[in-house]
Amino acid sequence: DSGVTQTPKHLITATGQRVTLRCSPRSGDLSVYWYQQSLDQGLQFLIQYYNGEERAKGNILERFSAQQFPDLHSELNLSSLELGDSALYFCASSPHGTVNSPLHFGNGTRLTVT
Amino acid sequence: AQSVTQLDSQVPVFEEAPVELRCNYSSSVSVYLFWYVQYPNQGLQLLLKYLSGSTLVKGINGFEAEFNKSQTSFHLRKPSVHISDTAEYFCAVSDGAAGNKLTFGGGTRVLVKP
Repeated sequence: DSGVTQTPKHLITATGQRVTLRCSPRSGDLSVYWYQQSLDQGLQFLIQYYNGEERAKGNILERFSAQQFPDLHSELNLSSLELGDSALYFCASSPHGTVNSPLHFGNGTRLTVT
Repeated sequence: AQSVTQLDSQVPVFEEAPVELRCNYSSSVSVYLFWYVQYPNQGLQLLLKYLSGSTLVKGINGFEAEFNKSQTSFHLRKPSVHISDTAEYFCAVSDGAAGNKLTFGGGTRVLVKP
Protein backbone atom coordinates (compact mmCIF):
# COMPACT_ATOMS: atom_id res chain seq x y z
CA ASP A 1 0.00 0.00 0.00
CA SER A 2 1.57 3.26 -1.19
CA GLY A 3 -0.51 5.42 1.14
CA VAL A 4 -1.93 7.40 -1.79
CA THR A 5 -5.70 7.10 -2.07
CA GLN A 6 -7.61 7.72 -5.25
CA THR A 7 -11.37 7.80 -5.62
CA PRO A 8 -13.36 6.56 -7.34
CA LYS A 9 -11.65 3.42 -8.64
CA HIS A 10 -13.87 3.25 -11.69
CA LEU A 11 -15.93 5.87 -13.47
CA ILE A 12 -18.17 5.40 -16.49
CA THR A 13 -19.69 8.45 -18.08
CA ALA A 14 -20.91 9.78 -21.40
CA THR A 15 -19.31 12.12 -23.89
CA GLY A 16 -19.76 15.78 -23.06
CA GLN A 17 -19.99 15.18 -19.34
CA ARG A 18 -17.75 16.44 -16.52
CA VAL A 19 -16.11 14.36 -13.82
CA THR A 20 -13.91 14.96 -10.79
CA LEU A 21 -11.17 12.61 -9.68
CA ARG A 22 -9.89 12.85 -6.15
CA CYS A 23 -6.51 12.11 -4.63
CA SER A 24 -5.34 12.02 -1.03
CA PRO A 25 -1.55 12.03 -0.82
CA ARG A 26 0.56 10.09 1.66
CA SER A 27 0.62 11.64 5.09
CA GLY A 28 3.22 14.40 5.12
CA ASP A 29 3.70 14.61 1.35
CA LEU A 30 3.38 18.16 0.06
CA SER A 31 3.55 17.49 -3.67
CA VAL A 32 0.93 15.85 -5.85
CA TYR A 33 1.28 14.76 -9.47
CA TRP A 34 -1.33 13.66 -11.99
CA TYR A 35 -0.56 11.24 -14.81
CA GLN A 36 -2.70 9.78 -17.58
CA GLN A 37 -2.07 6.24 -18.81
CA SER A 38 -3.63 5.19 -22.08
CA LEU A 39 -2.86 2.47 -24.61
CA ASP A 40 -1.90 4.86 -27.38
CA GLN A 41 -0.14 7.61 -25.41
CA GLY A 42 1.40 5.59 -22.58
CA LEU A 43 2.09 7.40 -19.30
CA GLN A 44 1.80 11.16 -19.72
CA PHE A 45 2.50 13.76 -17.07
CA LEU A 46 -0.39 16.16 -16.68
CA ILE A 47 0.31 18.53 -13.81
CA GLN A 48 2.05 18.91 -10.45
CA TYR A 49 1.17 20.86 -7.32
CA TYR A 50 3.33 21.66 -4.36
CA ASN A 51 1.73 22.85 -1.14
CA GLY A 52 -1.28 24.22 -2.94
CA GLU A 53 0.49 25.91 -5.84
CA GLU A 54 0.98 24.71 -9.39
CA ARG A 55 4.62 23.68 -9.86
CA ALA A 56 4.79 22.12 -13.33
CA LYS A 57 2.49 21.56 -16.25
CA GLY A 58 2.67 18.84 -18.88
CA ASN A 59 0.39 17.67 -21.66
CA ILE A 60 -2.79 18.72 -19.94
CA LEU A 61 -5.70 19.70 -22.16
CA GLU A 62 -7.51 22.99 -21.62
CA ARG A 63 -10.65 20.97 -20.84
CA PHE A 64 -8.83 19.56 -17.82
CA SER A 65 -8.01 21.43 -14.63
CA ALA A 66 -6.70 20.56 -11.22
CA GLN A 67 -6.16 22.05 -7.83
CA GLN A 68 -4.62 21.20 -4.49
CA PHE A 69 -6.51 22.19 -1.39
CA PRO A 70 -5.19 23.43 1.97
CA ASP A 71 -5.48 19.92 3.42
CA LEU A 72 -3.22 18.83 0.50
CA HIS A 73 -5.72 16.60 -1.24
CA SER A 74 -6.04 17.22 -4.94
CA GLU A 75 -8.79 17.04 -7.52
CA LEU A 76 -8.54 16.62 -11.28
CA ASN A 77 -11.53 17.96 -13.19
CA LEU A 78 -12.20 16.69 -16.69
CA SER A 79 -14.90 18.41 -18.72
CA SER A 80 -16.50 18.09 -22.16
CA LEU A 81 -15.35 14.51 -22.12
CA GLU A 82 -14.47 12.75 -25.36
CA LEU A 83 -14.05 9.07 -26.12
CA GLY A 84 -10.29 9.58 -26.27
CA ASP A 85 -10.23 10.68 -22.64
CA SER A 86 -10.84 7.10 -21.59
CA ALA A 87 -7.74 6.14 -19.63
CA LEU A 88 -6.29 5.29 -16.26
CA TYR A 89 -5.55 8.43 -14.27
CA PHE A 90 -2.88 8.14 -11.62
CA CYS A 91 -2.10 10.42 -8.76
CA ALA A 92 1.32 10.33 -7.14
CA SER A 93 2.73 12.17 -4.17
CA SER A 94 6.16 12.96 -2.83
CA PRO A 95 7.42 14.75 0.27
CA HIS A 96 9.12 17.72 -1.36
CA GLY A 97 8.61 17.43 -5.10
CA THR A 98 12.33 17.22 -5.77
CA VAL A 99 14.32 14.55 -7.56
CA ASN A 100 15.43 13.15 -4.21
CA SER A 101 11.83 12.56 -3.21
CA PRO A 102 10.56 9.41 -4.90
CA LEU A 103 7.01 9.37 -6.21
CA HIS A 104 4.46 7.10 -4.59
CA PHE A 105 1.57 6.22 -6.88
CA GLY A 106 -2.04 5.49 -6.09
CA ASN A 107 -3.87 2.63 -7.77
CA GLY A 108 -5.53 4.93 -10.25
CA THR A 109 -9.01 5.84 -11.41
CA ARG A 110 -10.15 4.08 -14.55
CA LEU A 111 -12.28 6.43 -16.60
CA THR A 112 -14.45 5.04 -19.39
CA VAL A 113 -16.21 7.53 -21.65
CA THR A 114 -19.01 6.05 -23.75
CA ALA B 1 13.00 18.02 -24.38
CA GLN B 2 13.56 14.59 -22.97
CA SER B 3 12.46 11.24 -24.30
CA VAL B 4 12.74 7.62 -23.23
CA THR B 5 12.73 4.57 -25.48
CA GLN B 6 12.18 1.10 -24.17
CA LEU B 7 13.31 -1.14 -26.95
CA ASP B 8 11.22 -4.18 -26.10
CA SER B 9 7.48 -4.01 -25.60
CA GLN B 10 7.31 -7.60 -24.35
CA VAL B 11 9.89 -9.95 -22.89
CA PRO B 12 8.98 -13.58 -22.20
CA VAL B 13 11.41 -15.34 -19.88
CA PHE B 14 11.54 -18.64 -18.05
CA GLU B 15 11.56 -18.78 -14.28
CA GLU B 16 15.09 -18.62 -12.78
CA ALA B 17 16.53 -17.28 -16.04
CA PRO B 18 18.16 -13.85 -16.24
CA VAL B 19 16.38 -10.89 -17.80
CA GLU B 20 17.53 -7.55 -19.19
CA LEU B 21 15.17 -4.71 -20.06
CA ARG B 22 16.62 -2.05 -22.29
CA CYS B 23 16.13 1.67 -21.87
CA ASN B 24 17.65 4.53 -23.84
CA TYR B 25 17.05 8.19 -23.19
CA SER B 26 17.73 11.49 -24.85
CA SER B 27 18.20 14.74 -23.04
CA SER B 28 20.17 17.90 -23.53
CA VAL B 29 20.84 18.28 -19.82
CA SER B 30 21.93 16.12 -16.93
CA VAL B 31 19.38 13.50 -16.11
CA TYR B 32 18.14 11.44 -13.27
CA LEU B 33 16.91 7.97 -14.15
CA PHE B 34 14.32 5.68 -12.64
CA TRP B 35 12.78 2.26 -13.10
CA TYR B 36 9.22 1.63 -11.93
CA VAL B 37 7.21 -1.60 -11.87
CA GLN B 38 3.46 -1.88 -12.32
CA TYR B 39 1.76 -5.06 -11.17
CA PRO B 40 -1.72 -5.82 -12.54
CA ASN B 41 -4.40 -3.45 -11.27
CA GLN B 42 -1.92 -1.48 -9.21
CA GLY B 43 -0.07 1.80 -9.36
CA LEU B 44 3.61 2.17 -10.13
CA GLN B 45 6.24 1.27 -7.55
CA LEU B 46 9.82 2.52 -7.58
CA LEU B 47 12.40 -0.22 -8.23
CA LEU B 48 15.54 1.89 -8.27
CA LYS B 49 16.94 5.28 -9.22
CA TYR B 50 20.15 6.86 -10.42
CA LEU B 51 20.80 10.37 -9.16
CA SER B 52 24.61 10.51 -9.06
CA GLY B 53 27.64 8.52 -7.97
CA SER B 54 28.14 4.86 -8.81
CA THR B 55 26.76 3.96 -12.20
CA LEU B 56 25.63 0.54 -10.96
CA VAL B 57 22.46 0.93 -8.96
CA LYS B 58 20.85 -1.77 -6.88
CA GLY B 59 17.15 -1.75 -6.20
CA ILE B 60 14.46 -3.80 -4.57
CA ASN B 61 13.58 -7.41 -5.37
CA GLY B 62 17.07 -8.21 -6.68
CA PHE B 63 16.99 -5.78 -9.61
CA GLU B 64 19.93 -3.63 -10.65
CA ALA B 65 20.57 -1.14 -13.43
CA GLU B 66 23.62 0.43 -14.99
CA PHE B 67 23.81 4.04 -16.11
CA ASN B 68 25.91 4.45 -19.26
CA LYS B 69 26.27 8.11 -20.14
CA SER B 70 28.12 7.57 -23.42
CA GLN B 71 25.44 5.22 -24.69
CA THR B 72 22.61 7.16 -22.99
CA SER B 73 21.29 3.92 -21.58
CA PHE B 74 19.94 2.67 -18.27
CA HIS B 75 19.28 -1.05 -18.71
CA LEU B 76 17.59 -3.05 -15.96
CA ARG B 77 18.73 -6.57 -15.07
CA LYS B 78 17.86 -9.40 -12.75
CA PRO B 79 20.01 -12.54 -12.63
CA SER B 80 17.17 -14.93 -11.80
CA VAL B 81 13.48 -14.08 -12.18
CA HIS B 82 10.49 -15.42 -10.28
CA ILE B 83 6.91 -15.87 -11.38
CA SER B 84 6.07 -12.90 -9.16
CA ASP B 85 8.21 -10.64 -11.38
CA THR B 86 5.54 -10.82 -14.06
CA ALA B 87 4.60 -7.17 -14.48
CA GLU B 88 5.11 -4.11 -16.65
CA TYR B 89 8.32 -2.16 -16.18
CA PHE B 90 8.75 1.51 -16.95
CA CYS B 91 11.94 3.48 -17.40
CA ALA B 92 11.67 7.20 -16.62
CA VAL B 93 13.86 10.28 -16.80
CA SER B 94 13.83 13.61 -15.01
CA ASP B 95 15.98 16.68 -15.50
CA GLY B 96 15.46 17.53 -11.84
CA ALA B 97 13.88 20.84 -12.67
CA ALA B 98 10.25 21.81 -12.26
CA GLY B 99 9.55 19.54 -9.36
CA ASN B 100 10.86 16.25 -10.70
CA LYS B 101 8.42 15.78 -13.55
CA LEU B 102 9.02 12.30 -14.95
CA THR B 103 9.00 11.36 -18.62
CA PHE B 104 8.20 7.68 -19.01
CA GLY B 105 9.05 5.16 -21.67
CA GLY B 106 6.39 3.03 -23.28
CA GLY B 107 6.89 0.15 -20.87
CA THR B 108 8.10 -3.44 -21.19
CA ARG B 109 5.77 -6.25 -20.27
CA VAL B 110 7.65 -9.15 -18.65
CA LEU B 111 5.98 -12.53 -18.64
CA VAL B 112 7.74 -15.13 -16.51
CA LYS B 113 6.94 -18.68 -17.53
CA PRO B 114 7.31 -21.72 -15.26
